[in-house]
Amino acid sequence: DAGITQSPRHKVTETGTPVTLRCHQTENHRYMYWYRQDPGHGLRLIHYSYGVKDTDKGEVSDGYSVSRSKTEDFLLTLESATSSQTSVYFCAISERSGGSTDTQYFGPGTRLTVL
Amino acid sequence: EDQVTQSPEALRLQEGESSSLNCSYTVSGLRGLFWYRQDPGKGPEFLFTLYSAGEEKEKERLKATLTKKESFLHITAPKPEDSATYLCAVQPRSYNTDKLIFGTGTRLQVFP
Repeated sequence: DAGITQSPRHKVTETGTPVTLRCHQTENHRYMYWYRQDPGHGLRLIHYSYGVKDTDKGEVSDGYSVSRSKTEDFLLTLESATSSQTSVYFCAISERSGGSTDTQYFGPGTRLTVL
Repeated sequence: EDQVTQSPEALRLQEGESSSLNCSYTVSGLRGLFWYRQDPGKGPEFLFTLYSAGEEKEKERLKATLTKKESFLHITAPKPEDSATYLCAVQPRSYNTDKLIFGTGTRLQVFP
């Protein structure tokens, strides 16, 4: 258990409304990630953070913004939700594995439906 | 372009019937290849990391192997509790962070 929680776990919203998803970790890891998972696409990186106030874009960042004001919290915001953002969103953290790369551990996910 | 392809998309096995899942990849240098298990409604659960061709890792009924172009996840004498979607991901050496490229997964069903 990597100590990752996501909130809310489920959310239904309407097109055009703002939505914020929260990822909280208890292990003080430096790297945090937001992915979305859709049928036929696998997991795709939206944004990631490599420290407090340090963030960068991933593969599918259009329509999303992120913020990290504390090590333990990474927020994903949809400024104006669209139906194409209906998806399951996963947060992940990196934990040094001792090899040449870090292993990512995932949270339980948030299912978002935009009507 | 870096990409990962998993096959088959779905696999149905009888309990005890061994088989293999395939993950083929094209990347500009490989830092690591990862296998995850995902149960319905849950987040991916880490299984293995492989770093170089020839490497093998085992955990209970699962064994992961790696070549320069693909990885296999061998399942020996599977049980119904092994039913899940298995995800493969690669980390290209060209990335300066731990970003991953995922395949679309293999959905495994094991029947008693």
